[in-house]
Amino acid sequence: AQKITQTQPGMFVQEKEAVTLDCTYDTSDPSYGLFWYKQPSSGEMIFLIYQGSYDQQNATEGRYSLNFQKARKSANLVISASQLGDSAMYFCAMRVYNTDKLIFGTGTRLQVFP
Amino acid sequence: GAVVSQHPSRVICKSGTSVKIECRSLDFQATTMFWYRQFPKKSLMLMATSNEGSKATYEQGVEKDKFLINHASLTLSTLTVTSAHPEDSSFYICSAVKEPRSPLHFGNGTRLTVT
Repeated sequence: AQKITQTQPGMFVQEKEAVTLDCTYDTSDPSYGLFWYKQPSSGEMIFLIYQGSYDQQNATEGRYSLNFQKARKSANLVISASQLGDSAMYFCAMRVYNTDKLIFGTGTRLQVFP
Repeated sequence: GAVVSQHPSRVICKSGTSVKIECRSLDFQATTMFWYRQFPKKSLMLMATSNEGSKATYEQGVEKDKFLINHASLTLSTLTVTSAHPEDSSFYICSAVKEPRSPLHFGNGTRLTVT
């Protein structure tokens, strides 16, 4: 069975500081993808970053980077230079390619303060 | 970029009535669509996988007679909540993929309130 775990229900960070949101996963399938999504209060799911299980390098997208540690089965999201607009729910998700389903973690609510 | 339109964005209905939610891929043909349900301040729970022209595959614990899914064309999937009750109140989100392993594209969700 596949599982995604986010142990931080809420995080606070000061504007311009970096923050790490934790995510661990479990799957026995060798081919999978790891995703991070942002969900503001309006509800839409905003794709942030993707890491494939065979990717050798950690993914980066602007201020977002994914700290992928395959042996530990972790895929933490690092947001650098936090902005007030980063305040939202953040979901880690895993897609196992033999089923193509996307499974979500429980989410972390990030609040950025001035 | 690929756009998925979900309609309506909000709906309020009375207990016992049925509600239909549409999910359309506007600029691509979606071989597969997924339906999720999200309770307030909770995660997205996969309800079912919908493939064009075939019956939807429901996740364990999801009542197929309660949540009817129809994927009639490559650009449209519908979720009908039948005989809705207050406990069906939730945020429902669809996503669509063009082909296996291609990126998922999400609709903006539908907030259902059953009174």
